[in-house]
Amino acid sequence: DARVTQTPRHKVTEMGQEVTMRCQPILGHNTVFWYRQTMMQGLELLAYFRNRAPLDDSGMPKDRFSAEMPDATLATLKIQPSEPRDSAVYFCASGLSSLGRAYEQYFGPGTRLTVT
Amino acid sequence: QQQVKQSPQSLIVQKGGISIINCAYENTAFDYFPWYQQFPGKGPALLIAIRPDVSEKKEGRFTISFNKSAKQFSLHIMDSQPGDSATYFCAARTTGNQFYFGTGTSLTVIP
Repeated sequence: DARVTQTPRHKVTEMGQEVTMRCQPILGHNTVFWYRQTMMQGLELLAYFRNRAPLDDSGMPKDRFSAEMPDATLATLKIQPSEPRDSAVYFCASGLSSLGRAYEQYFGPGTRLTVT
Repeated sequence: QQQVKQSPQSLIVQKGGISIINCAYENTAFDYFPWYQQFPGKGPALLIAIRPDVSEKKEGRFTISFNKSAKQFSLHIMDSQPGDSATYFCAARTTGNQFYFGTGTSLTVIP
């Protein structure tokens, strides 16, 4: 049963601390998306990778957020320093891009981040 | 600015009834329109999707109606069941592979 996995599932941290969230895309998928979900803003796209290369991170606050794909089986989203307004559920999704177009996205279970 | 506007925010339907959720957009660069279903504590899951060259797509009890000229699309859930109670998101994808989501509709189906 192929699925996207995310760790940790829950994270509580104090303001100013570094937070790293990890995602393992479905084996064989070549696109990875990071989203943030809040009650106020809904689902927002933070970053998008294809074949491990970042194609779009315009939705991500550059001063404190960074996203990488060290290899095809791992995507990371890092916040440094974290702030209370970063409290949200962060989702990773993966998919298969064909001819440059990404269609179906398979979402992971999310990481619920609380910054106090 | 919300790229995809979704309504209603919440919906209560009797079992066996029809649930209708509407979405509207302005960006003509959107070329793929999926709907996602999300249960509490889970990630969104693709339910059904449509491309703008088709006016309707049906999969089981779920139907997307698409009106390209009005830039609107809607999800119809026929014979709604309590198990359909979830949050539903419409979305739209640009030719640059950016996905924009609606704000979600919380559906409750009363037995």
